[in-house]
Amino acid sequence: GQQLNQSPQSMFIQEGEDVSMNCTSSSIFNTWLWYKQDPGEGPVLLIALYKAGELTSNGRLTAQFGITRKDSFLNISASIPSDVGIYFCAGNTQGGSEKLVFGKGTKLTVNP
Amino acid sequence: SQTIHQWPATLVQPVGSPLSLECTVEGTSNPNLYWYRQAAGRGLQLLFYSVGIGQISSEVPQNLSASRPQDRQFILSSKKLLLSDSGFYLCAWSGQYEQYFGPGTRLTVT
Repeated sequence: GQQLNQSPQSMFIQEGEDVSMNCTSSSIFNTWLWYKQDPGEGPVLLIALYKAGELTSNGRLTAQFGITRKDSFLNISASIPSDVGIYFCAGNTQGGSEKLVFGKGTKLTVNP
Repeated sequence: SQTIHQWPATLVQPVGSPLSLECTVEGTSNPNLYWYRQAAGRGLQLLFYSVGIGQISSEVPQNLSASRPQDRQFILSSKKLLLSDSGFYLCAWSGQYEQYFGPGTRLTVT
């Protein structure tokens, strides 16, 4: 089945630094989604992307749908302690499946 | 607006006991519904999904089962729990492409 390669697996940064993470696949995706999961809670949708090349922001978060439709990245600017959590990418592949393919997550630690 | 509920929030059950986790969605009709399991805080494993009442697709062979008795109700069950069933169980709904997750149930099998 399709796989999403999400990197890095984990990041340890200082408060105020910018963060970048990405997902790649060998398959073409129709949508890219980015989620954040706080400990003990369900993932929360941060950004949804629907078109190749699309660049979307949500506060300090910016995500882009790669022009090849096989990758996406998420940037967080000026990180703060509450950015701590696990970030997941997910996508819907060409053909309109009811299922999403998920990356394995990037665990972000922000040191004050 | 749509909301999704899961209960219980936490559960401790002995090996061999039955299981029933419930998920309900409000504010939407005919959603796709999903059950995921997450082990050790990483990686979401899709267990079941449903596109309508009584329609269940199983992704992973195991001792779990799912049912959808009503449009906005999704139930995860087991007749006899195994130690390996421990984990964080998440229910999600989707309208088209995005999925929205519930708060999860932490299951510990002892």
